[in-house]
Amino acid sequence: DIVMTQSPLSLPVTPGESASISCRSSQSLLDSNGHNYLDWYLQKPGQSPQLLIYLGSNRASGVPDRFSGSGSGTDFTLKISRVEAEDVGVYYCMQALETVTFGQGTRLEIK
Amino acid sequence: QVQLQESGPGLVKPSETLSLTCSVSGGSTSSYYWSWIRQPPGKGLEWIGNIYYTGSTNYNPSLRSRVTISVDTSKNHFSLKLTSVTAADTARYYCARVAAFWSNYNYYYSGMDFWGQGTTVTVSS
Repeated sequence: DIVMTQSPLSLPVTPGESASISCRSSQSLLDSNGHNYLDWYLQKPGQSPQLLIYLGSNRASGVPDRFSGSGSGTDFTLKISRVEAEDVGVYYCMQALETVTFGQGTRLEIK
Repeated sequence: QVQLQESGPGLVKPSETLSLTCSVSGGSTSSYYWSWIRQPPGKGLEWIGNIYYTGSTNYNPSLRSRVTISVDTSKNHFSLKLTSVTAADTARYYCARVAAFWSNYNYYYSGMDFWGQGTTVTVSS
């Protein structure tokens, strides 16, 4: 299995500031077609997960441009610019190159 | 707008079979992949498996011996069966659409874009 490791696991952020979450995979997620099979999901309190970013850097429909994904191979980053109160929740990275696996989750809270 | 709704018993006895159905509206199960994911209380997400509309399946190796996912395109739903359950299978179970498909031997993927609200299943006697 591909192991996904997120850091930090807890992220207190002041509203208006930016935040970054790192996700590392135990093997490269770059396929022969040039795509990185890495997604980011946000699970808001009491809700189902929602897709934020797919294939490493593509924003899903309706996702604010404050959210951006970057990285390739084994190292990926989710950046949230100008954090708002509604961004609170647990962020998960997920690889879809092989049998799907998720990171442990990063809990973002407002200071 | 695609909507998914999980249904099934909220309580299952140890050693019995957990059976859930995910009903899809606003879209068709005659395309894309369809997935089951679970989340034990207070823990993270665990992928259970998925099914392509053709019936081809992929399962989490840790659950493969106990899991069956099927799709009924005529009823526009897909199902999960998990046998020989224990307390460790207590979780909230989610179904999701995987926006992925094959065309001319090329694979197109854009994430798990629609999720159900989830259903809690407790394994207890």
